[in-house]
Amino acid sequence: SYELTQPPSVYVSPGQTASITCSGDKMGDKFASWYQQKPGQSPMLVIYQNNKRPSGIPERFSGSNSGNTATLTISGTQALDEADYYCQAWDSSTDVVFGGGTKLTVL
Amino acid sequence: QVQLQESGPGLVKPSQTLSLTCTVSGASISSGGYYWNWIRQPAGKGLEWIGRVYTTGRTNNNPSLKSRVNISVDTSKNQFSLRLSSVTAADTAVYYCARELVVVVAATVSFYMDVWGKGTTVTVSS
Repeated sequence: SYELTQPPSVYVSPGQTASITCSGDKMGDKFASWYQQKPGQSPMLVIYQNNKRPSGIPERFSGSNSGNTATLTISGTQALDEADYYCQAWDSSTDVVFGGGTKLTVL
Repeated sequence: QVQLQESGPGLVKPSQTLSLTCTVSGASISSGGYYWNWIRQPAGKGLEWIGRVYTTGRTNNNPSLKSRVNISVDTSKNQFSLRLSSVTAADTAVYYCARELVVVVAATVSFYMDVWGKGTTVTVSS
């Protein structure tokens, strides 16, 4: 079965750039999506098709995907970006798969 | 504005069947172009995809849950439903319904969920 691996936690200072990785076998051959989830809320799509932002998502959110790793980058990180982030992809053997999630702490 | 709302019992006894419904507003399920999904999240843990249904009734399920999962659609009510049989404490979670887009770009398929419900907590306990 296909698996996606994320670091459990990432720390970033306000105004700095946060990078959250998502690793999987030949991940670059697939499309990555990213979801933000704040405590007590449902997940929200922030990136789809590797690097596209849905309407209303700030430009500071960007994505890339190559090799075995997809990356979510948040530039000029703000306190309100503190949340759990999940990557997601589709594989023919597993269908939809989510990464384990990364807790982004802004401090 | 499309909205999804989960509903169903918050408490289910072990070995029984969990039944949830997702009501879609602001869009018609029967218009096509989207898939309708169920995802769950145990407290303090990550997201787990359960399965999807299309407007035609065609379904796909998580292989790890496949034999226990039944997802159906009722276009007349603009709803889709989840039934999970033989539940145990491990099925205790927040259950979300979500709308999914499927896009093919240069022979690569992109699946992503652009609208989510607020979630409903289901506890399995006697």
